[in-house]
Amino acid sequence: AQTVTQSQPEMSVQEAETVTLSCTYDTSESDYYLFWYKQPPSRQMILVIRQEAYKQQNATENRFSVNFQKAAKSFSLKISDSQLGDAAMYFCAAGGTGTASKLTFGTGTRLQVTL
Amino acid sequence: NAGVTQTPKFQVLKTGQSMTLQCAQDMNHEYMSWYRQDPGMGLRLIHYSVGAGITDQGEVPNGYNVSRSTTEDFPLRLLSAAPSQTSVYFCASSRREGLISPLHFGNGTRLTVT
Repeated sequence: AQTVTQSQPEMSVQEAETVTLSCTYDTSESDYYLFWYKQPPSRQMILVIRQEAYKQQNATENRFSVNFQKAAKSFSLKISDSQLGDAAMYFCAAGGTGTASKLTFGTGTRLQVTL
Repeated sequence: NAGVTQTPKFQVLKTGQSMTLQCAQDMNHEYMSWYRQDPGMGLRLIHYSVGAGITDQGEVPNGYNVSRSTTEDFPLRLLSAAPSQTSVYFCASSRREGLISPLHFGNGTRLTVT
């Protein structure tokens, strides 16, 4: 079983600036994955980045990177050089490798990008 | 390549009516699943299937049925719709069970039960 907590319902960032979205989790799984999904107004769920818990190196995807602190059970998402197209709901999710691909999602953070 | 296709995009039902939400994928994925998204609650797993003929319950299965007669299709049936089932429903698939294969989501079905 796992829980995922996103404590920031809304965040705002200026275009070209950097913003960090927070996520904490709890899990009884010994091996697990962590994800950030983006949901724009179109409602589509888009995978932003994925972290395998056994890997110590933080995952990066272009302007998106994570700060994975396993002992603290923290998994924050950093968006660099923010763009207007980054405006969306962002969901943090966790899933155990032995749990039939079941994902537990947080409640989401709505990111606004201003000029 | 269509990916994961959900139909309809929108649906309004009256309490007690039944309906089927359709989900089809053309990627030959073994694993398929249904989630519902409610305001302030993220997505929650309803049912999932690890292959044709195999289904299992997720976190919130009550009021829903599923079947997996083919690899491509995974319909979600509401037997007697209730206002509590007003939600956005997402179908997702992956190449195989286990999160090493990323989930691909459909674009969702917004269901309103009056």
